[in-house]
Amino acid sequence: NAGVTQTPKFQVLKTGQSMTLQCAQDMNHEYMSWYRQDPGMGLRLIHYSVGAGITDQGEVPNGYNVSRSTTEDFPLRLLSAAPSQTSVYFCASSSTGMGNQPQHFGDGTRLSIL
Amino acid sequence: DAKTTQPTSMDCAEGRAANLPCNHSTISGNEYVYWYRQIHSQGPQYIIHGLKNNETNEMASLIITEDRKSSTLILPHATLRDTAVYYCIVMKTSYDKVIFGPGTSLSVIP
Repeated sequence: NAGVTQTPKFQVLKTGQSMTLQCAQDMNHEYMSWYRQDPGMGLRLIHYSVGAGITDQGEVPNGYNVSRSTTEDFPLRLLSAAPSQTSVYFCASSSTGMGNQPQHFGDGTRLSIL
Repeated sequence: DAKTTQPTSMDCAEGRAANLPCNHSTISGNEYVYWYRQIHSQGPQYIIHGLKNNETNEMASLIITEDRKSSTLILPHATLRDTAVYYCIVMKTSYDKVIFGPGTSLSVIP
């Protein structure tokens, strides 16, 4: 019963480096999203997707790219890491079918940019 | 902006029921009440949700008032592992942006 799996759990980068945060879900959910959580800021939506091949921007998309080539995977790419992107990143997924279904979150990736 | 208000913190004795209140006086007819919790350094964990009727699952019970302006999450037998920040939110669809307010920090005391 894997649910939403995020890798890696921890990562330290130098300013200017690029990397990809992985998110995979095994629940056949159409909707997937990425949030960042900073102390005192709550969750902020970065990007989201309502199905394979469809992505859209959230409230803080700058510096991040996403793609959705399969239903299961929704990777988040940092193009050129900056210290302001130090945060905890959460991936979430939900069904968009009949009824109202909860969003399920992964355990997060803790990212530090030096 | 969060559309719910919750107490900042609560204590509960281990083994007793924890009753966490939430006010959502501006909730609209098609919005659901959801409860999540976040244990330190872990991802938000879904607990339960409901529209009008009271709901129960293996983790908790949700009591929604008849006018839907408030609700109570009940953890029937709190354990130390239930110590966490609990968030009450309202959402129309499965893919609304999740907006957490400050939540209630629940401490379960031995």
